[in-house]
Amino acid sequence: EVHLVESGGGLVQPGGSLRLSCAASGFTLGYSWMSWVRQAPGKGLEWVANINEDGSEKYHVDSVKGRFIISRDNSKSSLHLQMNSLRVEDTAVYYCARGWGWLQFWGQGTLVTVSS
Amino acid sequence: EIVLTQSPGTLSLSAGERATVSCRASQSVNRDLAWYQQKPGQAPRLLIYGAFGRATGIPDRFSGSGSGTDFTLTISRLEPEDSAVYFCQQYVSSSSITFGRGTRLEIE
Repeated sequence: EVHLVESGGGLVQPGGSLRLSCAASGFTLGYSWMSWVRQAPGKGLEWVANINEDGSEKYHVDSVKGRFIISRDNSKSSLHLQMNSLRVEDTAVYYCARGWGWLQFWGQGTLVTVSS
Repeated sequence: EIVLTQSPGTLSLSAGERATVSCRASQSVNRDLAWYQQKPGQAPRLLIYGAFGRATGIPDRFSGSGSGTDFTLTISRLEPEDSAVYFCQQYVSSSSITFGRGTRLEIE
């Protein structure tokens, strides 16, 4: 059974940094594209970033380019999102998901709150 | 960026009725469109991919149609547990993926 578990969320001040992780099990991470999708409180879904199987291709939504970096460690079955220069508008639940197109498997999400 | 416009914003129907949710893309996405259901406090659940392919375990009451710029999610024989927010998503390019703003379905 595919299982994705995010961690690393929390409260951070504007301008701060956080590193989110997603632990994958039930499948071989190295065979899958992976994505991060976020959802601000009471709002819709926003794609944040994705990464191909070996990490050689990475894409980020314009609003996080230069601040967030997606990465992966296939040997540890883990996906990461390094978030720097955080803004209040980055406050959201961050989900990791398997794939890059349609996303069938999602984690439960981790809440990131950016506030002073 | 491809903008997806969903309508209506909110839909109030009774159990047993049919729901129709529209998703219009600002430019063609071929059939690279998915639909998700999300209930409060839960992650989104994939319903439809490739515009009309039903995801594993999804009842046949859920169906998708359309191509190019106009898409429809139809839920027949509504049940109380269908109350949720429904999102469309286009994925014509891996470097720019977008979601619609969502349609809230209320079952009276």
